[in-house]
Amino acid sequence: SAVISQKPSRDICQRGTSLTIQCQVDSQVTMMFWYRQQPGQSLTLIATANQGSEATYESGFVIDKFPISRPNLTFSTLTVSNMSPEDSSIYLCSVTLTGKNTEAFFGQGTRLTVV
Amino acid sequence: GNSVTQMEGPVTLSEEAFLTINCTYTATGYPSLFWYVQYPGEGLQLLLKATKADDKGSNKGFEATYRKETTSFHLEKGSVQVSDSAVYFCALKSGGGADGLTFGKGTHLIIQP
Repeated sequence: SAVISQKPSRDICQRGTSLTIQCQVDSQVTMMFWYRQQPGQSLTLIATANQGSEATYESGFVIDKFPISRPNLTFSTLTVSNMSPEDSSIYLCSVTLTGKNTEAFFGQGTRLTVV
Repeated sequence: GNSVTQMEGPVTLSEEAFLTINCTYTATGYPSLFWYVQYPGEGLQLLLKATKADDKGSNKGFEATYRKETTSFHLEKGSVQVSDSAVYFCALKSGGGADGLTFGKGTHLIIQP
């Protein structure tokens, strides 16, 4: 399995500000993904974090709002920009490991509240 | 596109009851299927998986069989415990490791002593 460290675990932010969430993995990783879980809802894929190139975004998500970096194989960041109360969600990092592409592991999540 | 439909909760059962949580899917090709569980206050954990038709995934007394003919992956357990109280998500992944997961809306399971 993998140990995924996600920081911060929670935050309360003012509208109009930005928050950067970090994800660090202790294993060899093939893919890294970012998901959003809105209150009482399921998980929705935001984007695939690609090492050394721009992330691949799902329909409804754009780079200006959710810029993502992945400078190396085991680390990625997601920024939630110009936040509004509608961005209040849990944001989760997920990875698949080298040789175990059918299984995804998840971080503990970042619980974001925008006021 | 891909989609997952699962029964909505909350589902409330007594301890030792039989559990079924229905899950059906729509996908291109031959997806891999998963059940994830989220215990109160904890992160998402993989419960079981199946990667091809007729495969049966099992873990902690839970089972699910990949039924291609009915595009289903129903979760079952013969005798539930209070500690099984959690939110259960059915999910699929089509293609290889490059694809993210498509999740169902989740089923909140409550087991009463």
